[in-house]
Amino acid sequence: QITLKESGPTLVKPTQTLTLTCTVSGFSLSSSGVGVGWIRQPPGKALEWLALIYWDDDGRYSPSLKNRLTITKDNSKNQVFLTMTNMDPVDTATYYCAHRSLGIENSFDYWGQGALVTVSS
Amino acid sequence: DIQMTQSPSSLSASVGDRVTITCRASQSISVSLHWYQQKPGGAPSLLIHTTSTLQSGVPSRFSGSGSGTDFTLTIGSLQPEDFATYYCQQSYSLPPTFGQGTKVDIK
Repeated sequence: QITLKESGPTLVKPTQTLTLTCTVSGFSLSSSGVGVGWIRQPPGKALEWLALIYWDDDGRYSPSLKNRLTITKDNSKNQVFLTMTNMDPVDTATYYCAHRSLGIENSFDYWGQGALVTVSS
Repeated sequence: DIQMTQSPSSLSASVGDRVTITCRASQSISVSLHWYQQKPGGAPSLLIHTTSTLQSGVPSRFSGSGSGTDFTLTIGSLQPEDFATYYCQQSYSLPPTFGQGTKVDIK
């Protein structure tokens, strides 16, 4: 059974760096074809894809946020990390990590519960 | 980026109604279109992938169709548990992009 769970700070100050952790189970981060993505959702708004890391450590980023994002993983700990620099109140959102569907391009078939991050001084 | 536009943004319907939601891509995406359902306070869940393939466990009253730029999600007979927000997403090219969502609520 595949599960994902996000963790990290619930409150960050403007200009600070956010680091979120996604702890996964039920699959291996190093297995061929595996990918884990990060998607966020501001309160009452739509979903926005942020980043994706593949089994071979290849990382892809949203062009509009590329300069602020870093995605990495630790296979031995079954964890994926997302770092976002220079946080701003507009980055207030629920951040989800999600499992990339195998063989179905970049759709996401398993999602974490989400982590609400508020950016405020 | 490929822009995804859903219509309507919201709709009110009754149990038993047939509901149709459309999603239009700003360029052709072949059949690389997926639908998600999100209930209040919950994470999205994959409903249909690759335009028309139901995810395991999804009731057969849900169906999807389309190709190129125009896609449709249909709920054949709306059930109480279907009241939610629905999002389309393209995976034809990076970055994956989502529509703005369609909220289905009770009439």
